Amino acid sequence: DARVTQTPRHKVTEMGQEVTMRCQPILGHNTVFWYRQTMMQGLELLAYFRNRAPLDDSGMPKDRFSAEMPDATLATLKIQPSEPRDSAVYFCASGLNRERAFFGQGTRLTVV
Amino acid sequence: KQEVTQIPAALSVPEGENLVLNCSFTDSAIYNLQWFRQDPGKGLTSLLLIQSSQREQTSGRLNASLDKSSGRSTLYIAASQPGDSATYLCAVRFRSNFGNEKLTFGTGTRLTIIP
Repeated sequence: DARVTQTPRHKVTEMGQEVTMRCQPILGHNTVFWYRQTMMQGLELLAYFRNRAPLDDSGMPKDRFSAEMPDATLATLKIQPSEPRDSAVYFCASGLNRERAFFGQGTRLTVV
Repeated sequence: KQEVTQIPAALSVPEGENLVLNCSFTDSAIYNLQWFRQDPGKGLTSLLLIQSSQREQTSGRLNASLDKSSGRSTLYIAASQPGDSATYLCAVRFRSNFGNEKLTFGTGTRLTIIP
């Protein structure tokens, strides 16, 4: 049963620490999205990759966030340094071209 | 600006009733539209994908319609059950000149089915 896998599922960290979230897209998918979900803002796009190339990271605070795809089986989202306002659920999704997007279970990040 | 709106934000319906969830979008130049379901504390589950050339898609008790010219989609749920209680999200893939075909989400409708 193919699924998008995100690790860790939960992360509590202190302000100022580096946080790395990982995503394994479904095998064969060539698009990857990172979204952040909060009660106030809903789902916000942070980054979008196609064939491992970044197409849109306009929603990502560039001074502290970075997103990469070292290879087709791994996408990473890093926050350095983390701040309390970064507390949210971070979702990764993958798809094939413009077809259906499949979401992971998310990483719940708490920055204290 | 390309935006997606879902109204109402919350809806309560007695079990067994048929119901309609609404989604509207500001630009008719779209590739497709996807409906998701999200249970509390969980990820998003894809329900239906409807292409811009289609008028509707059906899966079991769910039927999604698309009227591109008016910028609207509806999700019809027949014979609602308590297990249908969740937040339903609409996401639109707008056309882009830059290949930036991201999914733009509405804020969702939180549905409660009353037993």
